[in-house]
Amino acid sequence: GAGVSQSPSNKVTEKGKDVELRCDPISGHTALYWYRQSLGQGLEFLIYFQGNSAPDKSGLPSDRFSAERTGGSVSTLTIQRTQQEDSAVYLCASSLAIYTGYNEQFFGPGTRLTVL
Amino acid sequence: KQEVTQIPAALSVPEGENLVLNCSFTDSAIYNLQWFRQDPGKGLTSLLLIQSSQREQTSGRLNASLDKSSGRSTLYIAASQPGDSATYLCAVRPKKVGNEKLTFGTGTRLTIIP
Repeated sequence: GAGVSQSPSNKVTEKGKDVELRCDPISGHTALYWYRQSLGQGLEFLIYFQGNSAPDKSGLPSDRFSAERTGGSVSTLTIQRTQQEDSAVYLCASSLAIYTGYNEQFFGPGTRLTVL
Repeated sequence: KQEVTQIPAALSVPEGENLVLNCSFTDSAIYNLQWFRQDPGKGLTSLLLIQSSQREQTSGRLNASLDKSSGRSTLYIAASQPGDSATYLCAVRPKKVGNEKLTFGTGTRLTIIP
């Protein structure tokens, strides 16, 4: 596609429910990243994928968070048993590759998650 | 731990003025530094990426410089326009194999007054 797309754009859920957030990277980009932007906080790294593997999961805030990527393309971020502190904008980015000196990251529009 | 700071947090200038946004980082071991803009309720738009071996990059009215040794970068905007109003974020990528996290600054909210 022309850019990184994310769905849904907005998600309102009740505390305790599970949610799935989807990211479609730019075609041909092998690296994919998830970030979280909370109100009043900066941008926080969550996880990245090179192909379908996630070498670094250290940014995931708890074991309620998980992510997968299939076919080297679409990625899904799942939050189980959502809590109010999970409310944030979840941003996805992609880049051509990692392990290079030049890997400009391109961001999607984000998913705004509100947990009531 | 890498820390990225952007000062000021907010800036208002009249249309047509040139302006400079500042970004500083504590660990100079970086692959590159990237400047983004974020409009309210939107994602991030990449503006410029400077590799660690470069001193500056230019795109249109934007010029970004990098002084890695002193841990500083500046984003210069020439002849500012109301459409430049947005939050500007800088982010550094660490020079460490296997560490692909971008560390972001908290941003500068820029308002151009018509």
